[in-house]
Amino acid sequence: DTGVSQDPRHKITKRGQNVTFRCDPISEHNRLYWYRQTLGQGPEFLTYFQNEAQLEKSRLLSDRFSAERPKGSFSTLEIQRTEQGDSAMYLCASSRYEDRGNYGYTFGSGTRLTVV
Amino acid sequence: SQQGEEDPQALSIQEGENATMNCSYKTSINNLQWYRQNSGRGLVHLILIRSNEREKHSGRLRVTLDTSKKSSSLLITASRAADTASYFCATDPGYSSASKIIFGSGTRLSIRP
Repeated sequence: DTGVSQDPRHKITKRGQNVTFRCDPISEHNRLYWYRQTLGQGPEFLTYFQNEAQLEKSRLLSDRFSAERPKGSFSTLEIQRTEQGDSAMYLCASSRYEDRGNYGYTFGSGTRLTVV
Repeated sequence: SQQGEEDPQALSIQEGENATMNCSYKTSINNLQWYRQNSGRGLVHLILIRSNEREKHSGRLRVTLDTSKKSSSLLITASRAADTASYFCATDPGYSSASKIIFGSGTRLSIRP
């Protein structure tokens, strides 16, 4: 297991199109998080899962955004009808609930989305 | 929304000098974490300090935490060119199961050769 993998690394899409990103966490990690980061800012929390259950969604996550984690393994983040304001780096991270307070998160390299 | 604010926003120092970054936050925490991000890449966890700890060391990193002032600092000693990156603090409120870390706005550190 080499860490958290995100695919694709880069995505350019036209406004109005739908896009889907994938995240493969570290296999023994039961928690998976999605963050969004714009240039010069810190990552902003979007949503997180424990196993297959989506436990929290940020108000940043409009109705155009949906995330899933079927079977508690990989996760997908879909953005429908993309807008230019969706252009950002989308970061995925994973952790073990049992390690809370002892270890940090492991992040993937991110998916950079550009909406033209 | 972002919990923490880093200070300074940007820092440029000579190689070999020490770099100090500060983080202030607003609500009570269970722990505070520092992460590094190289340009265009994901974040790498550096160090975690619990709310009942005041200081922690890891290699050339020293982190302090003052919960009464709701602030933390990260010191990188004997800086190297490879330390050039953005550094973020992140707070974990730690309550119940509804917990995720919230990041600050970051400090961009540049090391001059």
